[in-house]
Amino acid sequence: AQSVAQPEDQVNVAEGNPLTVKCTYSVSGNPYLFWYVQYPNRGLQFLLKYITGDNLVKGSYGFEAEFNKSQTSFHLKKPSALVSDSALYFCAVSLDNYGQNFVFGPGTRLSVLP
Amino acid sequence: SQTIHQWPATLVQPVGSPLSLECTVEGTSNPNLYWYRQAAGRGLQLLFYSVGIGQISSEVPQNLSASRPQDRQFILSSKKLLLSDSGFYLCAWRKTGGNQPQHFGDGTRLSIL
Repeated sequence: AQSVAQPEDQVNVAEGNPLTVKCTYSVSGNPYLFWYVQYPNRGLQFLLKYITGDNLVKGSYGFEAEFNKSQTSFHLKKPSALVSDSALYFCAVSLDNYGQNFVFGPGTRLSVLP
Repeated sequence: SQTIHQWPATLVQPVGSPLSLECTVEGTSNPNLYWYRQAAGRGLQLLFYSVGIGQISSEVPQNLSASRPQDRQFILSSKKLLLSDSGFYLCAWRKTGGNQPQHFGDGTRLSIL
């Protein structure tokens, strides 16, 4: 069965510093990996996805993520954090088309301090 | 482009009352549709998903039900709400294909009194 772990409940970073939100996964095949962001009282917004090819994926709002197959990780990164990046971030993994195989991690709350 | 609509945005209901939340998708055909519940601003709990009209799969046994009367319409219902049904309900759609992301509506905040 697929699973996704986000080992940090909370990440605090100063504005202007680089940020990393960690994600590790466990699947029995080749994964498709996704990152989402959620602002208060809103739905999840899709940021980026990894399908195949280049291990560094670029997405919306200056975010990028690095796929590492040997470490089964897909960490979200941004070179310079903004206060407006403060939100809840979810990692997700999918293997195929079927609904039950799209699994979300528990979420990491990012706080960017001015 | 595709859009997803959920309503109402907020709802306050007494215990024991019925519930109907609606979700519609525009700009795509035969999407996969999902209902999630999110408690206390954290993880998502998958409640139901549908791969076609009239096809509903339930992930968690409870007093909620879902229906898909039309291709792009997904409805979450209950005959009698419980206090534990309070939460943030999110609808999502997805094109067929494992590499496709899910896309979410803006949710319904349900409070049970």
